[in-house]
Amino acid sequence: AQSVAQPEDQVNVAEGNPLTVKCTYSVSGNPYLFWYVQYPNRGLQFLLKYITGDNLVKGSYGFEAEFNKSQTSFHLKKPSALVSDSALYFCAVIPPPLVSASRIIFGSGTRLSIRP
Amino acid sequence: DTGVSQDPRHKITKRGQNVTFRCDPISEHNRLYWYRQTLGQGPEFLTYFQNEAQLEKSRLLSDRFSAERPKGSFSTLEIQRTEQGDSAMYLCASSLVGQGSHEQYFGPGTRLTVT
Repeated sequence: AQSVAQPEDQVNVAEGNPLTVKCTYSVSGNPYLFWYVQYPNRGLQFLLKYITGDNLVKGSYGFEAEFNKSQTSFHLKKPSALVSDSALYFCAVIPPPLVSASRIIFGSGTRLSIRP
Repeated sequence: DTGVSQDPRHKITKRGQNVTFRCDPISEHNRLYWYRQTLGQGPEFLTYFQNEAQLEKSRLLSDRFSAERPKGSFSTLEIQRTEQGDSAMYLCASSLVGQGSHEQYFGPGTRLTVT
């Protein structure tokens, strides 16, 4: 079955430190990969995506993610965390066939908590 | 605000009642999606439309659920004979397919509580 795994329910980081939120996927072929963020009482917001090309993709709010095909991973990173980054983060994939590119499969989410 | 909007934001209903939710996508987007999100989980795909055509439905979409997008613009999701297990956040998203972008833009959701 196609799935996305976020092994950490919560990640705690001190402000100013680098952060990593982990994601691995189990999908046949080469999917599209995404990160979304969800703030309280607000909808999911698109952060970044990997379609093809450079394995390191940059997105909104200083976030970046590294695609690793051999490890089927797409970890989210930021060099210096801010308190305002505290939110719920979802890794997601669109599995092949990409020509139809319909449903997104989401991970279960990782709550990121940045302490001052 | 030109984002995806959903109405109502909250709905409390008694078991057995019917409910209907509305989603207005970003105006130029040709695809519209419905997802369901329960506490502690990521959103789960329910169905999607390309223009007015409903192209895919998840196994999660039982026969009590029906979705429409009659004019290829807004969409409605109806749940008949609601059950307590239907309590969840219902998310709508839209996207513009054919321009090389694949990200979906989400509305704020409708939180359904079935008592």
